[in-house]
Amino acid sequence: ETGVTQTPRHLVMGMTNKKSLKCEQHLGHNAMYWYKQSAKKPLELMFVYSLEERVENNSVPSRFSPECPNSSHLFLHLHTLQPEDSALYLCASSQGSGTGATIQYFGAGTRLSVL
Amino acid sequence: GQNIDQPTEMTATEGAIVQINCTYQTSGFNGLFWYQQHAGEAPTFLSYNVLDGLEEKGRFSSFLSRSKGYSYLLLKELQMKDSASYLCAVMDSNYQLIWGAGTKLIIKP
Repeated sequence: ETGVTQTPRHLVMGMTNKKSLKCEQHLGHNAMYWYKQSAKKPLELMFVYSLEERVENNSVPSRFSPECPNSSHLFLHLHTLQPEDSALYLCASSQGSGTGATIQYFGAGTRLSVL
Repeated sequence: GQNIDQPTEMTATEGAIVQINCTYQTSGFNGLFWYQQHAGEAPTFLSYNVLDGLEEKGRFSSFLSRSKGYSYLLLKELQMKDSASYLCAVMDSNYQLIWGAGTKLIIKP
């Protein structure tokens, strides 16, 4: 148990569906992250929220829309995805972001398949 | 560009020692992290090096040479549960983590 919980663990969706991924951290951290993990590729940082404000958006397509209602919760809203978006989506949290070396704690991820 | 290189896959025998190498070229350096990720599970933090030298933590040790852009993770007395992927990541001058693709370690009895 890492203190970061992601739901659902598995998701299959069609290209016209709308779904949301949820992440919750119980560590009292003030920064949260979304990563995409594809087989045999490095983790790709998608979004960073610090103190509930988005501070990083790495040229992610608009079909991915993040939401951070408070410092403990992070969502990733998905719509009209493409098959190449199939991957493991990881959420992470840390105490602080962008101002010092901090350890990121990860959830187990949501395995997304787009048909 | 920024780049982290580590072997794709390694195989070792239970009870033995294995060294997983990581080389990096990044814009600045604010430390190097190693994470362990079992299949279907969350990556978990193993070690952090910011100064040159060896950091030992039980059966696991991590080494850093900043002048060579090089690190390794040393695993001793290998156990079957050590079968996992090991991720190397460098924090650049903007305190953003740059990740390697991971090394899948297979332990054989």
